[in-house]
Amino acid sequence: DAGVTQSPTHLIKTRGQQVTLRCSPKSGHDTVSWYQQALGQGPQFIFQYYEEEERQRGNFPDRFSGHQFPNYSSELNVNALLLGDSALYLCASSSDIRANPEKLFFGSGTQLSVL
Amino acid sequence: GQQLNQSPQSMFIQEGEDVSMNCTSSSIFNTWLWYKQDPGEGPVLLIALYKAGELTSNGRLTAQFGITRKDSFLNISASIPSDVGIYFCAGLLGRTQGGSEKLVFGKGTKLTVNP
Repeated sequence: DAGVTQSPTHLIKTRGQQVTLRCSPKSGHDTVSWYQQALGQGPQFIFQYYEEEERQRGNFPDRFSGHQFPNYSSELNVNALLLGDSALYLCASSSDIRANPEKLFFGSGTQLSVL
Repeated sequence: GQQLNQSPQSMFIQEGEDVSMNCTSSSIFNTWLWYKQDPGEGPVLLIALYKAGELTSNGRLTAQFGITRKDSFLNISASIPSDVGIYFCAGLLGRTQGGSEKLVFGKGTKLTVNP
């Protein structure tokens, strides 16, 4: 049973570019959340998708957007990249939007470097 | 927004020693969680705490939900080399519409175990 898979594992972009990160949830999961983890920091919640809609959003600008597909996979898009967007982007999935935290599983992340 | 103060930032210990770390907040949390993150991986849940005063163990790990609901503690007994990693506390404010999206993470405690 595959866990949460993210692609790519590493990515290098330059300022002003746009990037798309992808996530496939754990089998049987229908809810996907995205987190940003800057170097030396804990993960910060970006947003959550359920039934192909953004359900909750953290304190991130509109440059950060997402999408969830009918197969529950998800994309995170970041426009007009800034140096400060360099971070590990984590995807987490759960089987229910109201699932207990112990049912939240994280992927290994995409390391984004903005030069 | 809510912030979690996690201490210490880093620890260097000898194999076999016990470890203690804690997390405090100015806000009350309904749930406290402890995660471990290895290099290149996403966080993995170690222990979840749901009631003030609760003491929960998972093998050599023991965590407590503070009585004031503003703090939590994690202890690791008889440390071994594979305990190396970054330990994060996380607080969950509530589970009204959903739970996982309101996780607030500390900055982590980096643990190094010398054989």
